[in-house]
Amino acid sequence: AQSVTQLDSHVSVSEGTPVLLRCNYSSSYSPSLFWYVQHPNKGLQLLLKYTSAATLVKGINGFEAEFKKSETSFHLTKPSAHMSDAAEYFCVVSPSNNAGNMLTFGGGTRLMVKP
Amino acid sequence: EAGVAQSPRYKIIEKRQSVAFWCNPISGHATLYWYQQILGQGPKLLIQFQNNGVVDDSQLPKDRFSAERLKGVDSTLKIQPAKLEDSAVYLCASSLPGGPQHFGDGTRLSIL
Repeated sequence: AQSVTQLDSHVSVSEGTPVLLRCNYSSSYSPSLFWYVQHPNKGLQLLLKYTSAATLVKGINGFEAEFKKSETSFHLTKPSAHMSDAAEYFCVVSPSNNAGNMLTFGGGTRLMVKP
Repeated sequence: EAGVAQSPRYKIIEKRQSVAFWCNPISGHATLYWYQQILGQGPKLLIQFQNNGVVDDSQLPKDRFSAERLKGVDSTLKIQPAKLEDSAVYLCASSLPGGPQHFGDGTRLSIL
């Protein structure tokens, strides 16, 4: 069994300040982990993925996430927020032996960026 | 490359009516998924196809939902009859074996 908890349903930051979106997971397997972003009225776009290689994963648009097994966390960060980052972000877990399939989504975090 | 195409983008129907959604995956992607995303929640998998065979439909309400993927390419998802709680965005995704899923823009369904 696997599950994902996104600790904040809403996060608000000012443009140019750091972003932190928190995610904890539970998995019976050694997991693969993903972050997806969803802009209004759009589908989900893959930001980055962890599949048991380097624990610090760099993604698109300046985002990165660190896999911490001891804390069962996979928090998403960005040094400086842009207005275009305002969107819904989903943390996702999958069994590592089937990294593209059997995705379990967290409830989402809505990121708001103030000018 | 062209992304996952879905139509229609929006659909409004009354309860007890039927509705169908269409999905065209990325060329060459053998695996196709349908998700239901209720407002304020993450997507929930309804059904997964590998080519034209069903891999997982454990979360599909089979008394009213059906899906098919004839010829292993395009897919349709049907709801008959629709209930108020079916109001949601229906997302289609596709992938290569073991690869990340690529999502379409979804169909937003409103039930009156």
